[in-house]
Amino acid sequence: KNEVEQSPQNLTAQEGEFITINCSYSVGISALHWLQQHPGGGIVSLFMLSSGKKKHGRLIATINIQEKHSSLHITASHPRDSAVYICAVRGATNKLIFGTGTLLAVQP
Amino acid sequence: GAGVSQSPSNKVTEKGKDVELRCDPISGHTALYWYRQSLGQGLEFLIYFQGNSAPDKSGLPSDRFSAERTGGSVSTLTIQRTQQEDSAVYLCASSPSSGRGEQYFGPGTRLTVT
Repeated sequence: KNEVEQSPQNLTAQEGEFITINCSYSVGISALHWLQQHPGGGIVSLFMLSSGKKKHGRLIATINIQEKHSSLHITASHPRDSAVYICAVRGATNKLIFGTGTLLAVQP
Repeated sequence: GAGVSQSPSNKVTEKGKDVELRCDPISGHTALYWYRQSLGQGLEFLIYFQGNSAPDKSGLPSDRFSAERTGGSVSTLTIQRTQQEDSAVYLCASSPSSGRGEQYFGPGTRLTVT
C-alpha cells in the first residue's frame, strides 16, 4: 500500500462543475502539498497546509490531521483547470512523498 | 525574479554514457531537492540538500547516481553508465530557509537513454 493515496485516478468533468480530489496518507507529516502539472508543463505548487483550510481563487484545500486526509476542491471548473493534480506529504526529514496524481479533464 | 532553472531541457544519450544535469535554484533558497518522474510513474525523491548539512541521499536508486551542490547554490546531478531505465524527467526544486516552506520546481530535464 502506498503511503499517499489519491482518488480518483482519473476524473472527467463538465465546465462549471464542482470538483473534489481526495488524498489519504498513512505516515506522520509536518505539511501536505497540492501540486499542479499541466501536460508537458512544469509543476506548480498550489497549496501547502498543515491544518484547516486554504483558498486561492476557485481552489480550496482542506486537511484533517486526525483522519490523515486532505481534499482539493475546484469550484466553477474551467477547461484550463485540466491537468494532473498531485498530493505530496512532507515528513520529519523534509523530503516529499508523492501520490500518483489525479488526471483531471474539464470539457467545455 | 527568476525561478528555478534547469539545463539542458532535453538530453538524449547512449546507454553506458555519463550525463550531468544542472539546477540553478532561486537565489537565497537554502534547500534544494532532486526528483525523478518516470513515464507512467509518479514523482520520486532522489536527494535533498539543506545549507551546509550533509545531504539526504536516501532516494538515490543506485551508486551510479550522485549529486553535489557547490557554494550552496548550483547543483549537479550526475548519472554514470546510464541505463535505459534511467530515462525520465529529472526535476529540481528549491525552498527558502529551513526547507519547510513551499517548494518551487524547475521545468525539468527530460533524459532519454537509447
